[in-house]
Amino acid sequence: DAGVIQSPRHEVTEMGQEVTLRCKPISGHDYLFWYRQTMMRGLELLIYFNNNVPIDDSGMPEDRFSAKMPNASFSTLKIQPSEPRDSAVYFCASSNLDRDEQYFGPGTRLTVT
Amino acid sequence: AQKVTQAQTEISVVEKEDVTLDCVYETRDTTYYLFWYKQPPSGELVFLIRRNSFDEQNEISGRYSWNFQKSTSSFNFTITASQVVDSAVYFCALANDYKLSFGAGTTVTVRA
Repeated sequence: DAGVIQSPRHEVTEMGQEVTLRCKPISGHDYLFWYRQTMMRGLELLIYFNNNVPIDDSGMPEDRFSAKMPNASFSTLKIQPSEPRDSAVYFCASSNLDRDEQYFGPGTRLTVT
Repeated sequence: AQKVTQAQTEISVVEKEDVTLDCVYETRDTTYYLFWYKQPPSGELVFLIRRNSFDEQNEISGRYSWNFQKSTSSFNFTITASQVVDSAVYFCALANDYKLSFGAGTTVTVRA
């Protein structure tokens, strides 16, 4: 299995620009999670999906952040407009019915200047 | 609310020494899972172990061992005979109902 795939691995953008992060979960996994890692706040859960439906988005920092999962093999996390404080590593993870065992992608390192 | 505390920010050892990472958690749930993840310098998060709250049996996997003590709400991790490749940040995490709550992580540096 290829594992969780994320793209791009690195993204550098200017403040105010739209940023889209992409994730392909492990085939057969029906839970998908988006996390953010920063030095100040550590690893935080932003949102998770079950069978493509958003279940809990209470971790999404503000309306500038949105996430979608149009099908079982693809999800996006969008930031519009981006701000320097959004700079972080964003991880996608997936799991199956054994939902507490999550497998993480390699992460996307986002830098907003 | 759930909380995971990893009191040790950094640990530095010489190769072949043993190193123990402490993890203390807080939860009101009776059913929960505990995890350890490794984050090497390359940045990915690698799953190491999962334990459920009803299984207090200690576990050994190669040079890794885990000690779960529900009475003290601790889930400690020991690396025996450490190697340079063990250098990484190690995260303890607690999960119930899908959500993983991570500790702040302990940076382990193993010197040759």
